[in-house]
Parts: sequence; C-alpha cells; structure tokens
Amino acid sequence: DAGVIQSPRHEVTEMGQEVTLRCKLISGHNSLFWYRQTMMRGLELLIYFNNNVPIDDSGMPEDRFSAKMPNASFSTLKIQPSEPRDSAVYFCASSWGQGTNQPQHFGDGTRLSIL
Amino acid sequence: SQQGEEDPQALSIQEGENATMNCSYKTSINNLQWYRQNSGRGLVHLILIRSNEREKHSGRLRVTLDTSKKSSSLLITASRAADTASYFCATDGNTGKLIFGQGTTLQVKP
Repeated sequence: DAGVIQSPRHEVTEMGQEVTLRCKLISGHNSLFWYRQTMMRGLELLIYFNNNVPIDDSGMPEDRFSAKMPNASFSTLKIQPSEPRDSAVYFCASSWGQGTNQPQHFGDGTRLSIL
Repeated sequence: SQQGEEDPQALSIQEGENATMNCSYKTSINNLQWYRQNSGRGLVHLILIRSNEREKHSGRLRVTLDTSKKSSSLLITASRAADTASYFCATDGNTGKLIFGQGTTLQVKP
C-alpha cells in the first residue's frame, strides 16, 4: 500500500512568496494532521481534520497559514506571505478514526526554507 | 502542559546491547504511543499502549506504562545499527490530539 505522500520534498523560496504544501492521505483514512518540526520547538500540531472537517486549528500560527481538504484524500497547507521564521519541516499524517486512539502514519515531510 | 518528556536526550550504545528510553507526562491519558524517526524521514509508529495496559511487546520492543507515576519506558533489546534513530513518545491527555515529546536520539555503534 502507498503511504502518505507529500510534495514537494524540498522548497526554497524568498520571503513574501506564497508556499503551498500538498499531502495525499492513505486510502481509507479519514483523519488528517499537519505538523511542523523545528529543533527549537520540536513537533507541533498545526491543524487536524476528520472527515474533511477541520476539528482543531489552534496550532495554526497566524492568519498567514491556511489548510484545506478539497476531497477525502488530499490536503493543502498554504503560507501567504511566507517569512523566514516559517522555515521548518512540515509533515502530514493520516489515520483511521477520530482522535488519538489509532496510530498516525506520517509522510516524509517537506523541508521548507524561506530566505 | 501534558507534553511527554523523554529521557535521556541522547543515548549511545554498542550493537547487541539493550537500549532503554523513558517518557514522563503530566496529565491523565487514554493512551501513549511511541514513534521512531530516521534522519530525513517521517515518524513511524511503533507501539500504542492504552491506559489500562501495563506492558506491550512487538518483536524486540517492549513498552511499559505506569499511570501512577505518569511514565512509560521503551526497551529495545539486542540493538542493531539500523535502530539508530530518534524515538518519541506521544500522549493524548484527553485533548483529542497527540502531543509529542522532544525525543531521545539513539546511536547504535556497529
């Protein structure tokens, strides 16, 4: 089975530009999580969806960040405008069910560098 | 914060030795999960242990949970160079979302 697929794997762009990260869930999974990982703050949950509905977006840093699930198998995380402090590795993960009683399956991340 | 905190932060052992990592948390939980992360890769789920369980095994992995002490341990027996990775515990704390610790970096020397 294909795992969670993220694209691009690496993104380097200048501050002020729009950045779009993409994620394809594992078939059959109905929960989707976006995380950000940095050395200083570790792994932080940004937002999670269940059945395409955002359940908790309290981790989204500010209005520059937005996430969508246009269908049950795909999600995007957009940063506009981007800033150097947004540089991090962004992971999406998917799971079956709702909440935390199931394992989460992670993609290999997008390494984002904002110059 | 209900964040899990791993101990030690870094561990270096020889191949064949056992590795033990500990996780402490602050609030009550429904379950606790352990994940592994190889360099440059995403996290991989290892074991989920529920609050009413005390021990679980998976291959060379053994996880224990002591809810009275709010702590868990991950034991890797007969370690291999391929076990070199960072290991994270994650707790739910009745929030509906996982909170990850800072991780233990394990190096297994051949």
